[in-house]
Amino acid sequence: DAGVTQSPTHLIKTRGQQVTLRCSPKSGHDTVSWYQQALGQGPQFIFQYYEEEERQRGNFPDRFSGHQFPNYSSELNVNALLLGDSALYLCASSSARGAETQYFGPGTRLLVL
Amino acid sequence: EDQVTQSPEALRLQEGESSSLNCSYTVSGLRGLFWYRQDPGKGPEFLFTLYSAGEEKEKERLKATLTKKESFLHITAPKPEDSATYLCAVQAAGNKLTFGGGTRVLVKP
Repeated sequence: DAGVTQSPTHLIKTRGQQVTLRCSPKSGHDTVSWYQQALGQGPQFIFQYYEEEERQRGNFPDRFSGHQFPNYSSELNVNALLLGDSALYLCASSSARGAETQYFGPGTRLLVL
Repeated sequence: EDQVTQSPEALRLQEGESSSLNCSYTVSGLRGLFWYRQDPGKGPEFLFTLYSAGEEKEKERLKATLTKKESFLHITAPKPEDSATYLCAVQAAGNKLTFGGGTRVLVKP
């Protein structure tokens, strides 16, 4: 049973560029959440997608946007990258019908130069 | 606003030296409290979910407990492979997880 997968594993961008990160949820899960984790800190909630719609959003600017596809996979897009966007981006999946325990993928390490 | 504070920030233990990690939380309407383990450069690995005060869960050398204001993760007779960052998170209204800053545990042989 494949767990949550994310791509790419690492990414280097320059300020002002745009980036797209991808996530495939665990089999049987229909809800995807995205988190940003700066070095040495706990993850911060960005937003959550269910039924192809943004269900909840954290305190992140509109530069952060997302999408969920009919197969439940998801993308996180960040526009106009800033140095402060350098972080580990984590995707978590859960089932809306279950206990809603969120299972995390390995993350994408983004470095903005 | 939901808040989670973990202490200590770092913990150095000798192999076999038991200890406890603390997670204090302020939340309106707790739906669940979660413990995760995170190895460097990897995603958090799910350990436990606790739903109500008085609940306890165990897995190998780890035991998690919950009160109305805090949760403890007890590590009994730790081994070097227990070295990791342990994250606590709460889920309240909505579905987002609010995390604490984590406790970095180093177990020396």
